[in-house]
Order: sequence, then structure tokens, then C-alpha cells
Amino acid sequence: DADVTQTPRNRITKTGKRIMLECSQTKGHDRMYWYRQDPGLGLRLIYYSFDVKDINKGEISDGYSVSRQAQAKFSLSLESAIPNQTALYFCATSNNGLSAFFGQGTRLTVV
Amino acid sequence: KQEVTQIPAALSVPEGENLVLNCSFTDSAIYNLQWFRQDPGKGLTSLLLIQSSQREQTSGRLNASLDKSSGRSTLYIAASQPGDSATYLCAVPMIKAAGNKLTFGGGTRVLVKP
Repeated sequence: DADVTQTPRNRITKTGKRIMLECSQTKGHDRMYWYRQDPGLGLRLIYYSFDVKDINKGEISDGYSVSRQAQAKFSLSLESAIPNQTALYFCATSNNGLSAFFGQGTRLTVV
Repeated sequence: KQEVTQIPAALSVPEGENLVLNCSFTDSAIYNLQWFRQDPGKGLTSLLLIQSSQREQTSGRLNASLDKSSGRSTLYIAASQPGDSATYLCAVPMIKAAGNKLTFGGGTRVLVKP
């Protein structure tokens, strides 16, 4: 079983819809991250969390929100999806912020 | 602000040749540098993590070097195989950034032709 699991793996949604991407981990790490990957832009940080009570914005948090339901769960929401949020989304965990373990990614298409 | 650059963006070599992938960063205040492999549409797999105090790290056919003073790291893959075809990314956590956030390069897409 994967240490970092993302669901769904693929999703197509319509503009204006609310969508939630979920991430769970079995590594016991306190730190969790959400990144998006766009061709030619690499990975950019959306939000990160040090524990269930500590959530921080990353580089590109506008249009997104997160919830840290438990140490092992960190979900990303798009309140009203727009086409330029079409991307590959990754969840990652870390025990110290100095190295990261990634999930398999969620491919989101907003039409 | 840390900037991480990977050149070239794409590389194609015949099987058996050695691969040389470059990563440069603008701020040398890093804890370490991590190399990842990404297969198309898949997640990132950590290949090597080289500490800021190290010059080199090896794992099988992979060797990563780090020169903090010049802001460069190089990933060498010896005797390339078609299965090495993937995108390779480097990333650095910033000492000065809250949460030691990772900053990624744009990646080098590698194709090894049989």
C-alpha cells in the first residue's frame, strides 16, 4: 500500500463546481503539503500544514482552501472551479520539512 | 527568493550513454538538495537526497554531486536504459523560508532510445 494516497486519481468537473481532493498518509508525518504541477512551471506550493491546528498559505493559495481533519488527512478544496485550475495536484508529507514523500497525484480537468 | 533552474528541459540519448542532468539554485542557504523521478502522469519518487555538507551521494547507477558555493547540483546516471526515461526534478528546502518549503526546478524530460 502506498504511504501517501490521493483520491480521486482523475477527475473532470465543470466550471463553478465545488470539488474536494483528499490525501491520507501512513507515514506518521506531521507536515503535509499540497502542490500543483503545470507544464513548464514545475511544482508550486498551494498550502501546507504542520499539524491539525497549523495551516499556512503557499505561493498560489487563491481559489483554494484546505482542511486538516487529522494528522493523517489533508484535503484540498476548490470552492468554485475554473478552467485555469486544470492541473496535476500532488499531496506530500514530511517529518522535518527537509525531505518529502509524494502521492501519485490527482489529474483535475475543469471544463 | 530562491529560484531553481534545470537545463536542458529535455534530453534524448541512445541506450548505454551516460546521462548528465543539471540543477542550479540562486540562494546557497539550503539544507539539502533532493532529486526526484516522475513518470508520465505519476507521482514523484525520491531518488537521492544530498545534505548541504556533502559533496556527493551515490545509489546504484545514480550519482549526485553538490557544489553549494556555485549553486549547482548534477545528477549522473550511468549506462542509461530505456527504463530511465522519465522527468527528473530537483528541489531544495529553504533555510530562510517558513516551513522549509521545497522549491522545485522545472524538470528535465529524458528519453533513452533503445
